[in-house]
Amino acid sequence: AQSVTQPDIHITVSEGASLELRCNYSYGATPYLFWYVQSPGQGLQLLLKYFSGDTLVQGIKGFEAEFKRSQSSFNLRKPSVHWSDAAEYFCATTGGGNKLTFGTGTQLKVEL
Amino acid sequence: EADIYQTPRYLVIGTGKKITLECSQTMGHDKMYWYQQDPGMELHLIHYSYGVNSTEKGDLSSESTVSRIRTEHFPLTLESARPSHTSQYLCASSDGRRTYNEQFFGPGTRLTVL
Repeated sequence: AQSVTQPDIHITVSEGASLELRCNYSYGATPYLFWYVQSPGQGLQLLLKYFSGDTLVQGIKGFEAEFKRSQSSFNLRKPSVHWSDAAEYFCATTGGGNKLTFGTGTQLKVEL
Repeated sequence: EADIYQTPRYLVIGTGKKITLECSQTMGHDKMYWYQQDPGMELHLIHYSYGVNSTEKGDLSSESTVSRIRTEHFPLTLESARPSHTSQYLCASSDGRRTYNEQFFGPGTRLTVL
């Protein structure tokens, strides 16, 4: 079965600084990978997704992620963080199946 | 505008009450899901449906039940609410014709059982 690990529970960055959130997956074949963002009291919004092809994918709100098969990773990046990016970020995978498996999430705090 | 809706957004209720959390989507998706999320925790799948009259239990055991009588509607019911049911409940849907199962989420219902 597929699984997702997000090693960082909390991350704090200064506004304007770059950001990288880590995600490692476990699946034998090429997985389908997603990054979602959840603001307090809200549902999840899809930031970006990877299925195949170009390993660097662009998403909404200036986010991007890079799929690295050799490292089983799908890290989320943003060159310059805005205060409004403070939220919880979830990495998820379907592993080619129908069910989404989520990581435990990374809480991002942005210092002004 | 195609979207997914959940009502109520917040519910505070006493122990023993029967409650139904509503979820509707206007995207024409055949697959729908219910997740339970405790504060600061990951999401756990509790129910899913692949179409009308199809319902399955998810990975996390739940005392709730669901029904799928119409494609766009996927309500979740708790016959007798208990404090242990206090949580956030998120509904999602996806297009079964796509192999990658991109799921779209509603805003959630935050349930508090006193």
